Amino acid sequence: GAGVSQSPSNKVTEKGKDVELRCDPISGHTALYWYRQRLGQGLEFLIYFQGNSAPDKSGLPSDRFSAERTGESVSTLTIQRTQQEDSAVYLCASSSDGYREPQHFGDGTRLSIL
Amino acid sequence: DQQVKQNSPSLSVQEGRISILNCDYTNSMFDYFLWYKKYPAEGPTFLISISSIKDKNEDGRFTVFLNKSAKHLSLHIVPSQPGDSAVYFCAASKGNTPLVFGKGTRLSVIA
Repeated sequence: GAGVSQSPSNKVTEKGKDVELRCDPISGHTALYWYRQRLGQGLEFLIYFQGNSAPDKSGLPSDRFSAERTGESVSTLTIQRTQQEDSAVYLCASSSDGYREPQHFGDGTRLSIL
Repeated sequence: DQQVKQNSPSLSVQEGRISILNCDYTNSMFDYFLWYKKYPAEGPTFLISISSIKDKNEDGRFTVFLNKSAKHLSLHIVPSQPGDSAVYFCAASKGNTPLVFGKGTRLSVIA
């Protein structure tokens, strides 16, 4: 497809388990972003990739969160030892360059921690 | 501390009338502003942006106004259509830094 694709669309897991969320950006987009949206809140920036490097990880809330990007394409966001407060929609976006280019979002992964 | 505030959680407007969505910001260093629209279970979609060197940008039915002295921007939709019913997010950034989003305003356009 032409848009940003995220999988899974929904994930329910038990507290303490690890989860891995995947993002396929628009082909050719060098910039990739992860956001988190908690219920009733705005989008919260997590991490920014330019190519395979992450020049800005300032939004990752704890060391349980990590992300990587390979082949200047697919990115995975990993949350280790999940907690209930990690429940949110995790959104991925890509753009043709840095922050100033309009970002194209995927439909998100709804993560529920029991 | 919220740097981008959308103080109206919801707004209802009659079809054909003007919708005005407001956004206030606290950081005077912000120099780039955007509006995104979000339907349920979908990701946000970029609508329109404005740089701080301008005070107005127009794209079809959508116009964004920026008042730097008041640290306020607004999105006008004229005429409003039922398909415009969605959550609208205001976002801002300074220099080459991440976007800061507001909490959104849910617009309902009533036929």
